[in-house]
Amino acid sequence: ETGVTQSPTHLIKTRGQQVTLRCSSQSGHNTVSWYQQALGQGPQFIFQYYREEENGRGNFPPRFSGLQFPNYSSELNVNALELDDSALYLCASSLETRLAGFSYEQYFGPGTRLTVT
Amino acid sequence: AQTVTQSQPEMSVQEAETVTLSCTYDTSESNYYLFWYKQPPSRQMILVIRQEAYKQQNATENRFSVNFQKAAKSFSLKISDSQLGDTAMYFCAFLTQGGSEKLVFGKGTKLTVNP
Repeated sequence: ETGVTQSPTHLIKTRGQQVTLRCSSQSGHNTVSWYQQALGQGPQFIFQYYREEENGRGNFPPRFSGLQFPNYSSELNVNALELDDSALYLCASSLETRLAGFSYEQYFGPGTRLTVT
Repeated sequence: AQTVTQSQPEMSVQEAETVTLSCTYDTSESNYYLFWYKQPPSRQMILVIRQEAYKQQNATENRFSVNFQKAAKSFSLKISDSQLGDTAMYFCAFLTQGGSEKLVFGKGTKLTVNP
């Protein structure tokens, strides 16, 4: 158990729709990262949020957006869903390392399986 | 750009035996961190072991150990006394630094431990 939870567990959407995935970080963790894991592949970095602001982004289009809230929860929003968006979406929380001290372990949630038809 | 390569898509081992999973990476950074993550069918990504690049000593966690060869950019995972519960996907990952700290993953190795 990592203390990171995600909802929903599974989700089926139609191409063109919008989806919101949710993540609850481990208590005290001020950084959350989102990853997309296609079937048979390793996770790919989507973006990271630190203290409610985007702090880096991978090679994903703007229709992938996020929010982080003061209570350590966060959201991943995907607009205009495409078939290729079908994947396992993982969030990972960690303590920010730019300040004093360094914590480089990212704690992963169990993921949300998104299927786009 | 950093890349991580796992050349063994699948491996199998008998219970109680030893298995080594391979990983190579490419980076121009001098100080970085490497990880092995385990992802069982439950999908939860679990940290197995970490290695700081500035440390010459190979990391060890119980039955898990690494062989870190910095010059060769190689980072293999050895699992001793394999157990049925070790059956999972294993991902090698590199932690980038500067700005956001993101993990760059390999494609994974599917390990099956047979009774």
